[in-house]
Amino acid sequence: EDKVVQSPLSLVVHEGDTVTLNCSYEVTNFRSLLWYKQEKKAPTFLFMLTSSGIEKKSGRLSSILDKKELSSILNITATQTGDSAIYLCAVDSRNTGKLIFGQGTTLQVKP
Amino acid sequence: NAGVTQTPKFRVLKTGQSMTLLCAQDMNHEYMYWYRQDPGMGLRLIHYSVGEGTTAKGEVPDGYNVSRLKKQNFLLGLESAAPSQTSVYFCASSYMANSPLHFGNGTRLTVT
Repeated sequence: EDKVVQSPLSLVVHEGDTVTLNCSYEVTNFRSLLWYKQEKKAPTFLFMLTSSGIEKKSGRLSSILDKKELSSILNITATQTGDSAIYLCAVDSRNTGKLIFGQGTTLQVKP
Repeated sequence: NAGVTQTPKFRVLKTGQSMTLLCAQDMNHEYMYWYRQDPGMGLRLIHYSVGEGTTAKGEVPDGYNVSRLKKQNFLLGLESAAPSQTSVYFCASSYMANSPLHFGNGTRLTVT
């Protein structure tokens, strides 16, 4: 059965700290891994990582895919209170074409 | 620039009642999905559709039915609501299978 596990489940840091969020997966015929940020309502897309694009960066956020370890990390440097959100990891399988989500990591950034 | 629109935003049902959640997208996307989100469990796929007239089961389909009669709309039905269906429901769409999902703002459903 396809499975995506995120850790930690929750995290509290202070502004300026750097955080690393983890996502590990067991998926048959992996195609891509996606990261989403969810604030109050709808999740919004951050990154998609594939075999041909294992590292992505946007401002203070970056993500790396480790296909050997079947995992990915999401790094946020110099955190701000606006980074407080639930971060969701999802994995797409070629077999099913469906996105399987992890439980999410709730990040709280204190001033 | 509506994107994905869900109605209603909130609903309270009594056990045994039925209702339909509506999802509409204006991006001409082929794929549409219904997820539910419960605390500590992430998003779980209920049903999805790969095109007009098609539907398929996801991870947690029991107690729900769906229809995709028009490409832009994806309906989620609860025939006989149960307290275990209390959740936040998200609709999403994507251009194709390996494209990022665009989500609606969710429907908070409480079943008493």
